Amino acid sequence: DVKVTQSSRYLVKRTGEKVFLECVQDMDHENMFWYRQDPGLGLRLIYFSYDVKMKEKGDIPEGYSVSREKKERFSLILESASTNQTSMYLCASSFSDGSGNTIYFGEGSWLTVV
Amino acid sequence: EDQVTQSPEALRLQEGESSSLNCSYTVSGLRGLFWYRQDPGKGPEFLFTLYSAGEEKEKERLKATLTKKESFLHITAPKPEDSATYLCAVGSGGYNKLIFGAGTRLAVHP
Repeated sequence: DVKVTQSSRYLVKRTGEKVFLECVQDMDHENMFWYRQDPGLGLRLIYFSYDVKMKEKGDIPEGYSVSREKKERFSLILESASTNQTSMYLCASSFSDGSGNTIYFGEGSWLTVV
Repeated sequence: EDQVTQSPEALRLQEGESSSLNCSYTVSGLRGLFWYRQDPGKGPEFLFTLYSAGEEKEKERLKATLTKKESFLHITAPKPEDSATYLCAVGSGGYNKLIFGAGTRLAVHP
């Protein structure tokens, strides 16, 4: 069964704190993604990775960074959290053997920055 | 610019009342059109992928169809458990990047 696991479901952090969101997939997928979801704006791509140690910016990378040291793990880092980063964050993964592969999502991490 | 628009934003149905959700798109080089279901507080759950105009896929009470400019998600005789937000996305460019619509919130009442 397909599984994408986000370690933290609910977090509350203070402005200026460094925040780590962790994601693990057990499907041996090459591609991993981080999206954020906000009411009325839909899902927006922050960063993605197509291989270990490789990363590409998505549509809204400002204020974020990522790390992929192992194939199964993809971390999203907020270097200095701000209130406008309060959101639901979704990790996803897919195979890379051709385009149009199904992307599977985790359960989401709700981040509140106060 | 690649874009996905879903309508209506919200839909209220009585149990058994069939209807359709719309997803219109503009994309340079479609690499799959995806439908997901999302329950409150959870991640999107994959439903269908359609790749070419004329293609149709079915799952229980749901049927997805695709033309060159839009996709429909038909819901036949819905039940309250079908209540959720339905998301449409198109694959564009490489690396399986998806562009999402804002979703349609469906509420089915007994």
